Amino acid sequence: GAGVSQSPSNKVTEKGKDVELRCDPISGHTALYWYRQSLGQGLEFLIYFQGNSAPDKSGLPSDRFSAERTGGSVSTLTIQRTQQEDSAVYLCASSWGLAGGRLSTDTQYFGPGTRLTVL
Amino acid sequence: AQTVTQSQPEMSVQEAETVTLSCTYDTSESDYYLFWYKQPPSRQMILVIRQEAYKQQNATENRFSVNFQKAAKSFSLKISDSQLGDAAMYFCAYKVTGNQFYFGTGTSLTVIP
Repeated sequence: GAGVSQSPSNKVTEKGKDVELRCDPISGHTALYWYRQSLGQGLEFLIYFQGNSAPDKSGLPSDRFSAERTGGSVSTLTIQRTQQEDSAVYLCASSWGLAGGRLSTDTQYFGPGTRLTVL
Repeated sequence: AQTVTQSQPEMSVQEAETVTLSCTYDTSESDYYLFWYKQPPSRQMILVIRQEAYKQQNATENRFSVNFQKAAKSFSLKISDSQLGDAAMYFCAYKVTGNQFYFGTGTSLTVIP
């Protein structure tokens, strides 16, 4: 596609339910990132995928959070047993990553985000 | 540890005037990239400008320019001839190839008509 897409754009769920957020990166981009942005706050890094390498999960806040990336393309962020503090905008971004070569500036391109509200 | 600091949570500028947003970072790497992103109320993050650390020349994109001071680990963004559409949250970011991005906490810019 022309840009990074995310779905759904908005998600309202009840506390304790599981949710899945989807990210479709730009075709050919080998790197994919998930961030969380709470109201009025900066970006909190969650997880980073680079090609077929093991993902960098160092930002995941708890074991209720997980993410996978199938076939090196689409990624799904799953939050189990959602809590009210999980309410935030979840942003996905992709970049050429290592496929861009050493001289690549590796610019990230962001999706529009998913606004998650946990009641 | 890699950190990015934006010391100005909020800034304001009169329309048509110039404003500078500050950013400092901490790294032991010699080769890296720096970025400024803009996030308007629509929440779509948009790349404003980028700088490769190995380049001494400051990047410029129309009304946007940076003052990159590698020794001081400083990367400020200058917006000239400010427009109402420049009002947004601005994030400074740092990256080494093959690794994650590190973002600052953002500066909220208000443009006064």
